[in-house]
Amino acid sequence: DTGVSQNPRHKITKRGQNVTFRCDPISEHNRLYWYRQTLGQGPEFLTYFQNEAQLEKSRLLSDRFSAERPKGSFSTLEIQRTEQGDSAMYLCASSEEGFGSEAFFGQGTRLTVV
Amino acid sequence: TQLLEQSPQFLSIQEGENLTVYCNSSSVFSSLQWYRQEPGEGPVLLVTVVTGGEVKKLKRLTFQFGDARKDSSLHITAAQPGDTGLYLCAGETEYNNNDMRFGAGTRLTVKP
Repeated sequence: DTGVSQNPRHKITKRGQNVTFRCDPISEHNRLYWYRQTLGQGPEFLTYFQNEAQLEKSRLLSDRFSAERPKGSFSTLEIQRTEQGDSAMYLCASSEEGFGSEAFFGQGTRLTVV
Repeated sequence: TQLLEQSPQFLSIQEGENLTVYCNSSSVFSSLQWYRQEPGEGPVLLVTVVTGGEVKKLKRLTFQFGDARKDSSLHITAAQPGDTGLYLCAGETEYNNNDMRFGAGTRLTVKP
């Protein structure tokens, strides 16, 4: 296992288009997180899965954002009708169950909406 | 409003100086972690603290968890240019289904 993998690494899209990102967590990790990070800021929580169940979703997340983890393994994050304000780095992290478990991050998908 | 407030937001010091950065909240955390992030990379874990009053040392870094488990500090002794980066605290609280929330970070620059 080579760690958390995110695809694509970069995505440039026109405003109004839909985009989908994929995250492959470390295989034995049942927790999976999505964060959004803009320049100079810390990761902003978007959503969190325990296995295939989506346990928490940020109130900041509009209806245009949806995430799935259908088999409790990989996850996808879809943004519909993208806006320029969606431009950011989208980070995925996974961890084992249990509080205090280390979260391992992927290298992120950098989205630019033009 | 951030669940975790970090201060200072920016810190620029000379090599060899000591520094302390802070992470504060009004919430009680079941665990709190410190990460360091370099440009273009995801955050990497430095330490996890779970017990109120706990102090952990990692070479020149000293981490402390407040007695009430609402705050934490990171002290770096004799900073080096390799310490430059974004230092993030992250915590889990039972009020958020134990998901992990991050502060906005302290961007540290250590000049040679």
